Amino acid sequence: DAGVIQSPRHEVTEMGQEVTLRCKPISGHNSLFWYRQTMMRGLELLIYFNNNVPIDDSGMPEDRFSAKMPNASFSTLKIQPSEPRDSAVYFCASSLGQTPGAFFGQGTRLTVV
Amino acid sequence: GNSVTQMEGPVTLSEEAFLTINCTYTATGYPSLFWYVQYPGEGLQLLLKATKADDKGSNKGFEATYRKETTSFHLEKGSVQVSDSAVYFCALSTNTGGFKTIFGAGTRLFVKA
Repeated sequence: DAGVIQSPRHEVTEMGQEVTLRCKPISGHNSLFWYRQTMMRGLELLIYFNNNVPIDDSGMPEDRFSAKMPNASFSTLKIQPSEPRDSAVYFCASSLGQTPGAFFGQGTRLTVV
Repeated sequence: GNSVTQMEGPVTLSEEAFLTINCTYTATGYPSLFWYVQYPGEGLQLLLKATKADDKGSNKGFEATYRKETTSFHLEKGSVQVSDSAVYFCALSTNTGGFKTIFGAGTRLFVKA
């Protein structure tokens, strides 16, 4: 298995632009997580899905952030409009519903200038 | 709510020294506990886990025992190597319609040759 695949690996964008991060979970996994990692705040859970349904989005910082999971093999995290304080590494992770422990992708390093 | 507290870093050790990274947790119910490791520029990798009290997780010479009475899951290794230099995250996971994982702040480990 190729593991959790995220794209792009790096993204540099200007303030105010829309940014879309993509994630393909491990085949057969039915839970998917989006995390944000910064030096100041560490690793924060933004949102997680179970069977394509958002279960908890309380970590999404504000309305500029949105996430979708249209099917079991794809999810997106969108920021519109982006701001410099959104600069961080965004990780996607997946797990098999009743098996604890998540598998992480390599992350997307987002820089908003 | 659920939370994880781990010792602040960085921790600097000489090669072959004994390692302990402390982790305590607060959770309702019976969480599963994990240690993840993050090497520079990479995503988090699951290092070991324990799913019930008194379980010992182990992998690559690292060990941690699930202590319900002290709500702790300390990471230990008898003899560290330079290649163990990384950031280590303690985490817990509870079943809330899929396993939601909460991470500690991470502890950076430097091992000197």
